[in-house]
Amino acid sequence: QVQLQESGPGLVKPSETLSLTCTVSGDSVSRGSYYWSWIRQPPGKGLEWIGYVYYSGITNYNPSLKSRVTISIDTSKNEVSLKLSSLTTADTAVYYCARAFMVRGLPKWFDPWGQGTLVTVSS
Amino acid sequence: QSALTQPASVSGSPGQSITISCTGTSSDIGNSNSVSWYQQHPGKAPKLIIYDVSDRPSGLSDRFSGSKSGTTASLTISGLQAEDEAHYYCSSFTSHSTLGVIFGGGTKLTVL
Repeated sequence: QVQLQESGPGLVKPSETLSLTCTVSGDSVSRGSYYWSWIRQPPGKGLEWIGYVYYSGITNYNPSLKSRVTISIDTSKNEVSLKLSSLTTADTAVYYCARAFMVRGLPKWFDPWGQGTLVTVSS
Repeated sequence: QSALTQPASVSGSPGQSITISCTGTSSDIGNSNSVSWYQQHPGKAPKLIIYDVSDRPSGLSDRFSGSKSGTTASLTISGLQAEDEAHYYCSSFTSHSTLGVIFGGGTKLTVL
């Protein structure tokens, strides 16, 4: 059974950089059938796709966040990481990592998802 | 890239059927079979319930079904049950800009 677990600080200050890690168990991030993704959800609001990384290191980001986002992969640790810089209070959200099934280079669906981690941006 | 358009809320009585719409454009739903739906209960992570427009993950109840016509996808839940009360989100691949993913704003289903 594949499981994803997000970890990182629950509170970060404005203008700082958020760093989150997603640890994958029950599957290998080196498998070529998936994109490893980050998605966020502000309190009481909908889902927003942040971006994804392929095992080769190829990435794709939401245009609205592209200038501030870096997603990387560590195949030796079976982990995926997210860095989001220049934080503002608008970045307060639950951050999820999820596995995206990929066909012919296109992301198809997200399954499974991690439990999510709440990140609050506040001074 | 703007979010896909979903009704904010829908409701139905136990045993009834409801349909949630998800409207996009020719850059996403209209030109993609990569439409998926997710169920989210309060405080929980989203759960995949429909992928590739109308396919169900193994073990999921056949009360959930999906379809698409033009730039609008739909999720139908038949035989409503109390545990179906949740938020539902649609998602699609988008060929606009960076070839990424776009979500709908979400629909709150209330079982009366």
